[in-house]
Amino acid sequence: EPEVTQTPSHQVTQMGQEVILRCVPISNHLYFYWYRQILGQKVEFLVSFYNNEISEKSEIFDDQFSVERPDGSNFTLKIRSTKLEDSAMYFCASRVDRGYYEQYFGPGTRLTVT
Amino acid sequence: AQTVTQSQPEMSVQEAETVTLSCTYDTSESDYYLFWYKQPPSRQMILVIRQEAYKQQNATENRFSVNFQKAAKSFSLKISDSQLGDAAMYFCAYRSPSNTNAGKSTFGDGTTLTVKP
Repeated sequence: EPEVTQTPSHQVTQMGQEVILRCVPISNHLYFYWYRQILGQKVEFLVSFYNNEISEKSEIFDDQFSVERPDGSNFTLKIRSTKLEDSAMYFCASRVDRGYYEQYFGPGTRLTVT
Repeated sequence: AQTVTQSQPEMSVQEAETVTLSCTYDTSESDYYLFWYKQPPSRQMILVIRQEAYKQQNATENRFSVNFQKAAKSFSLKISDSQLGDAAMYFCAYRSPSNTNAGKSTFGDGTTLTVKP
């Protein structure tokens, strides 16, 4: 069964550094998402991406964050200058189309900012 | 905006018994999707079951079933014959399939389920 993959599984970085989290969505999917889960808290929506542009973003997704689909397969989340509070699990998800379609989650990347 | 509420931060069940996890939501939409996800210690999000709002029949997946009450905006998960492997955090989630919406999911706070041997 096709699946969403994410790399790395765990990233440790120092405060102020830039990080790029990578996701490979399922190949025929058109909608892409990033979610964040701070340890012990709920999963929160960050951003959705469709047709090479952001379709919706949350209040969390400020100027420090950016997303990109640099080629036909990868979908990346960049955090320009990491803060301690960015430490969280980041989930990528993808969906084939609008309407009644499943949203598939990747295994997540655990980001630790020291 | 849609909201999802899970009023039980923690639940426990004896192995082989049945447990029900509660979820309520608030929306003004008539069409939507509801989900239950399981998150084990690995923190991967595993889809347990889903329900389309237009379907009156409650979804079932083996030992997992839901009680979907659209008018009450309630979506509870029943786990029958609980197994030790069912121990995890369970999240209820809402998603709109509307063409005008990006289709993001909104999650509840989660319920930690403990299964006692």
